[in-house]
Amino acid sequence: QKEVEQDPGPLSVPEGAIVSLNCTYSNSAFQYFMWYRQYSRKGPELLMYTYSSGNKEDGRFTAQVDKSSKYISLFIRDSQPSDSATYLCAMTFSGGYNKLIFGAGTRLAVHP
Amino acid sequence: NAGVMQNPRHLVRRRGQEARLRCSPMKGHSHVYWYRQLPEEGLKFMVYLQKENIIDESGMPKERFSAEFPKEGPSILRIQQVVRGDSAAYFCASSPTWRGLQETQYFGPGTRLLVL
Repeated sequence: QKEVEQDPGPLSVPEGAIVSLNCTYSNSAFQYFMWYRQYSRKGPELLMYTYSSGNKEDGRFTAQVDKSSKYISLFIRDSQPSDSATYLCAMTFSGGYNKLIFGAGTRLAVHP
Repeated sequence: NAGVMQNPRHLVRRRGQEARLRCSPMKGHSHVYWYRQLPEEGLKFMVYLQKENIIDESGMPKERFSAEFPKEGPSILRIQQVVRGDSAAYFCASSPTWRGLQETQYFGPGTRLLVL
């Protein structure tokens, strides 16, 4: 079993739709949770960063963490064609500098 | 305000040759991580370095791979005697030095290695 599971998609939605992206994980020691966006043949770009459980909102993006269920989500409101990319969840432990454990990524396509 | 820089962006090597990948972290960052991304897969951690120190190399293959981050200059990931299975995108990330933000990592554009 992988430490972080993420449905690879692809996920295709019409412009303006609400997108829900999810990851589950098995290690309860994870404390920090991130979402990265990766355009084709580019480096991952940090979108959202959350500590422990709860919600965090930034513009059209909302990140949720449910540690009791070991489940994290990223919601994208009013999706745009420019949101078409691969979305990677990542997580790490508390205590300073640590490697990130990534999901496989979900490929999202928003069509006009 | 330059981000993480990596070069070369693309590298072609024949089997048995050496590959050297370079990474310059963001200004103010002294912690460097290397990750490898195989086609259609997520990123896999390889090694974490601070200046002149390897802190965690648990993701590095035992043979042919090495990494350094000297006092002066960029971090180097070196792959000796490359094989076709080394073909992948290699990403470098750096994180800030100040407390409270250590967990955030910022990625470079990657080096895409193709072994013929």
